[in-house]
Amino acid sequence: NAGVTQTPKFQVLKTGQSMTLQCAQDMNHNSMYWYRQDPGMGLRLIYYSASEGTTDKGEVPNGYNVSRLNKREFSLRLESAAPSQTSVYFCASTTSGIRIGEQFFGPGTRLTVL
Amino acid sequence: AQSVAQPEDQVNVAEGNPLTVKCTYSVSGNPYLFWYVQYPNRGLQFLLKYITGDNLVKGSYGFEAEFNKSQTSFHLKKPSALVSDSALYFCAVRDEYRYGKFYFGSGTKLNVKP
Repeated sequence: NAGVTQTPKFQVLKTGQSMTLQCAQDMNHNSMYWYRQDPGMGLRLIYYSASEGTTDKGEVPNGYNVSRLNKREFSLRLESAAPSQTSVYFCASTTSGIRIGEQFFGPGTRLTVL
Repeated sequence: AQSVAQPEDQVNVAEGNPLTVKCTYSVSGNPYLFWYVQYPNRGLQFLLKYITGDNLVKGSYGFEAEFNKSQTSFHLKKPSALVSDSALYFCAVRDEYRYGKFYFGSGTKLNVKP
């Protein structure tokens, strides 16, 4: 039982390059999330997927796209990276519905855009 | 709208002394409240949650939190701090109506000095 896994752990991009951050969970959770963490700003929600087949914008969606590939996997894509997207990105998952569960977090991806 | 406030960016406490990390919240509906801890270069780890029932919630590593509905607070406490408790602490509230969406505070850095 690996929990929430993220790849890659580190990435350096040049401005304008694209990349996809991968996330997978093996806990049979319905809901998955992408956050970015910047110093002094806590966690900010980029996109979330309440259930397989649905995605919604969070508070900072501009410059990102997501795909809920199946129940396990939720990817985040940067189409044209900008220095403002330098951050640490966390994926998380949780149950939804009757059981009110906590979020489980992956180890993070540290992204630098030059 | 849901929101969480952590009024202290940093809390300093001596080892062996009690600690409190403050959190206040604003929700429309039932408050589902959580505390997480983040160690350097790691993802967030779940500490404890309040869903319903007893106002004093016990969690991991000797931490507890007190839910106060009239003051809309959910302060994290520990009777005797350890140097190893030094980390970044986040309070979060889960949206009852928008399936699984969480709102995080900006975080409080806890420094425990020997």
